[in-house]
Amino acid sequence: DTGVSQNPRHKITKRGQNVTFRCDPISEHNRLYWYRQTLGQGPEFLTYFQNEAQLEKSRLLSDRFSAERPKGSFSTLEIQRTEQGDSAMYLCASSLAGGGGTRYTFGSGTRLTVV
Amino acid sequence: AQSVTQLGSHVSVSEGALVLLRCNYSSSVPPYLFWYVQYPNQGLQLLLKYTTGATLVKGINGFEAEFKKSETSFHLTKPSAHMSDAAEYFCAVAPRAGTALIFGKGTTLSVSS
Repeated sequence: DTGVSQNPRHKITKRGQNVTFRCDPISEHNRLYWYRQTLGQGPEFLTYFQNEAQLEKSRLLSDRFSAERPKGSFSTLEIQRTEQGDSAMYLCASSLAGGGGTRYTFGSGTRLTVV
Repeated sequence: AQSVTQLGSHVSVSEGALVLLRCNYSSSVPPYLFWYVQYPNQGLQLLLKYTTGATLVKGINGFEAEFKKSETSFHLTKPSAHMSDAAEYFCAVAPRAGTALIFGKGTTLSVSS
């Protein structure tokens, strides 16, 4: 169990640029979640996958956001035309659907700063 | 829709004192309940969780929480605070196993010597 890995740890970008984050879940976990956390707030759900299928998307996930999990393993979260309001910590988590589905493991996050 | 309310955005205690962090949830059926801790610039670490069975749940670092269905609460306690407990604490619920977690806004715990 190598844990959930997120890259990069930090990203500074200029407003209007596109950014992409990567999440590598625990290998045997088939569910993967993305959250956004702003300063002083709890994580807010963005979207989650079971294998390669995107099962749910939050209304927070605007048209500028897109997430993929093409082979049911790692996932990417892309933000197009970044805005200053996108500055946040982006957290990824994974779990195993079924009997072990109550164990959610979080990565260390990617901190995005839009200048 | 399910929601989580953490009463008190900031709790301060002295080292050795009782820690009590409050969490109430809204749900038509008992959900799965979790407490996570977050240290600065780090991800979330699971302290404990309630799924089914015994309503008093023991977690890591001496923390425990009790699920009270009648009060829709899942308060976190620790008998004696340590300086290393200073962190942000989040209560979360999941309607069913494997569904997305819904988090409260968090409580910052400060511990003074």
